[in-house]
Amino acid sequence: EIVMTQSPATLSVSPGERATLSCRASQSIGSSLAWYQQKPGQAPRLLVYDTSTRATGVPARFSGSGSGTDFTLIISSLQSEDFAVYYCQQYIGRPPMYTFGQGTKLEIK
Amino acid sequence: QVQLQESGPGLVKPSETLSLTCTVSTDSINRYYWSWIRQPPGKGLEWIGYIHYSGKTNYNPSLESRVTMSLDTSKKQISLNLSSVTAADTAVYYCARMIYRFGDLGGMDVWGRGTTVTVSS
Repeated sequence: EIVMTQSPATLSVSPGERATLSCRASQSIGSSLAWYQQKPGQAPRLLVYDTSTRATGVPARFSGSGSGTDFTLIISSLQSEDFAVYYCQQYIGRPPMYTFGQGTKLEIK
Repeated sequence: QVQLQESGPGLVKPSETLSLTCTVSTDSINRYYWSWIRQPPGKGLEWIGYIHYSGKTNYNPSLESRVTMSLDTSKKQISLNLSSVTAADTAVYYCARMIYRFGDLGGMDVWGRGTTVTVSS
């Protein structure tokens, strides 16, 4: 099983600043990576898939990058609505076996 | 925009079978793959498995021996059965639509609101 490790577990950032979230895979997953945002009491929301493709309606301040085993989600200028938990997810393989990271909580500094 | 709605018993006894249904609001059920994902209280996300209207399924190996998924196109419903449940199966259960392009599956782009299932006697 591919293990996804996110860091840091908690990230404190001020509104308007930039946030950088990391995700590492235990083996190469190419570009088969997605990022989700989850707010309390809500379902996850897809932000980015295939490492860097923004989902429909996702603001341009969210950008994904990386390949192989190391991936990054950058939120360029944090808005109040961006404070949430973020999960990465890999889906390499045919058929794919999906695994999620443990999450990064982005909190207001 | 398609909407997904999970439903089922909120309380299941240990050793029994958990049965949930996901209703799709449009006729797109036979054009996509559909997943179930769960989230124990205060914890992260765990993928349970997916199904396609063709009958193709793929389950998480850690749950495979207890999971069955099915799909009813006439009712626009996807079903999940999880047998021999224990307290560890207590979670919010989500259904989600999967991205499918160029013959490859991707992430989940539409999610239901989830339904809470508690396993307790």
